Amino acid sequence: SQQGEEDPQALSIQEGENATMNCSYKTSINNLQWYRQNSGRGLVHLILIRSNEREKHSGRLRVTLDTSKKSSSLLITASRAADTASYFCAETKGGAQKLVFGQGTRLTINP
Amino acid sequence: DAGVIQSPRHEVTEMGQEVTLRCKLISGHNSLFWYRQTMMRGLELLIYFNNNVPIDDSGMPEDRFSAKMPNASFSTLKIQPSEPRDSAVYFCASTTRGGDTYGYTFGSGTRLTVV
Repeated sequence: SQQGEEDPQALSIQEGENATMNCSYKTSINNLQWYRQNSGRGLVHLILIRSNEREKHSGRLRVTLDTSKKSSSLLITASRAADTASYFCAETKGGAQKLVFGQGTRLTINP
Repeated sequence: DAGVIQSPRHEVTEMGQEVTLRCKLISGHNSLFWYRQTMMRGLELLIYFNNNVPIDDSGMPEDRFSAKMPNASFSTLKIQPSEPRDSAVYFCASTTRGGDTYGYTFGSGTRLTVV
C-alpha cells in the first residue's frame, strides 16, 4: 500500500495546547489533503496543500509539506474540546483522482 | 446545499441477503467515490466514477460487490449475497472534476451490520 501514515496514532493534550500530527507518504504526490472525522460521522475536508506549496493556513490550522522528506504536518493551535476527533491525511498522485487515506491520528482534547 | 446524502444510515441484515446502499451527490459534482471503513483496515477506496463512468474498481473486494451510477446525481452500491465480514461503515464522497483543488465532500455513511 502507498497510503499515507499518520503519526502518532493517538494524541491526548490539554485544552489550549497545540496539537501536531504528522503524515508520511511513499511516492510523489499531486496534493495532500487533511480531513477530520468526528465519532460516528463522515469525514470533513480541512485543507489541501499542493505539491509545489510548503505551507498553508486556515484559521487555527497550519499545514506544512516537505516533499524532500515526503512528509506533512497538521498543527492545530489553541486546541478546544471540539477538536476531539480523528484526523486523516490523504494523497492523490499521478493522473488519478482517487484519495488514498492513512490510518489516522486519534486526537483527544482534555478540558 | 444538502451535501452528500446517504441512505440508509444503519442497515442490519442477515447473511446471504442482498444489501443496497444509496448515495446522492452534490449538485454539480461529477466524481463519485465509495469507501469502506473498518477498524482493522481503515478507509478503503472501493470504486470511483467520473461523469457516471467507472474509472477504477480495483478496490471492490469481490464479485459480490457492484456499483452503478444510473444518472449524474445518484449511485448505488450493492452487495449480493452479504457476509458478516462485509460489516463496516460505507461512505460515498463526491467532488468536481477538479477535485484536487476543492477537496471531497463525504456523506454521513451507512453502518452495515451483517449477522
